[in-house]
Amino acid sequence: AQSVTQLDSQVPVFEEAPVELRCNYSSSVSVYLFWYVQYPNQGLQLLLKYLSGSTLVKGINGFEAEFNKSQTSFHLRKPSVHISDTAEYFCAVSDRPGGGADGLTFGKGTHLIIQP
Amino acid sequence: DAMVIQNPRYQVTQFGKPVTLSCSQTLNHNVMYWYQQKSSQAPKLLFHYYDKDFNNEADTPDNFQSRRPNTSFCFLDIRSPGLGDAAMYLCATSRASGTTDTQYFGPGTRLTVL
Repeated sequence: AQSVTQLDSQVPVFEEAPVELRCNYSSSVSVYLFWYVQYPNQGLQLLLKYLSGSTLVKGINGFEAEFNKSQTSFHLRKPSVHISDTAEYFCAVSDRPGGGADGLTFGKGTHLIIQP
Repeated sequence: DAMVIQNPRYQVTQFGKPVTLSCSQTLNHNVMYWYQQKSSQAPKLLFHYYDKDFNNEADTPDNFQSRRPNTSFCFLDIRSPGLGDAAMYLCATSRASGTTDTQYFGPGTRLTVL
């Protein structure tokens, strides 16, 4: 069985400051890891994903994440946030590269609040 | 250029009154998924279709059913909604399972049960 833990339910950050959203996972098989963003009243949009290869993954909107197998983590980072980054961020895991068949297992989400 | 469309965006129903939520896609993807997302919680997979093959999650209540009449459309039927079924329902698609393809999500339908 897989599970995802997002350690912070809410993260307030000042505009133009760096941010890290934490994600830890557990799985007994090879994992594929995803970060999704959900803006208010909208569906989920893929930010980035780790399938294999380089452990540092770059995504859209200036976000990046690093896969750390020994620490079972996949933390999301951005060096300088903007007001428009205010949203809910979900970490997800799958034992399939596309998250297909069995779908994705999501964490509970982290609400990123950007303060002017 | 909407790729995964959900109608309606907001749905209000009464306790026990059947309701149907709709999802359509223009991506010609093989797989369509339905997730339930309750307030401040993670999306939870209810079931998915791989073409015409229906795959139900073990803990999805019998109250929830789905239909996929063709590649483009998939419906979520809630036979007798309870107050606990109030949630955002997300539809997603992917080209095929077990590939590197991404799941694409629609905007969701927010269901209110009175």
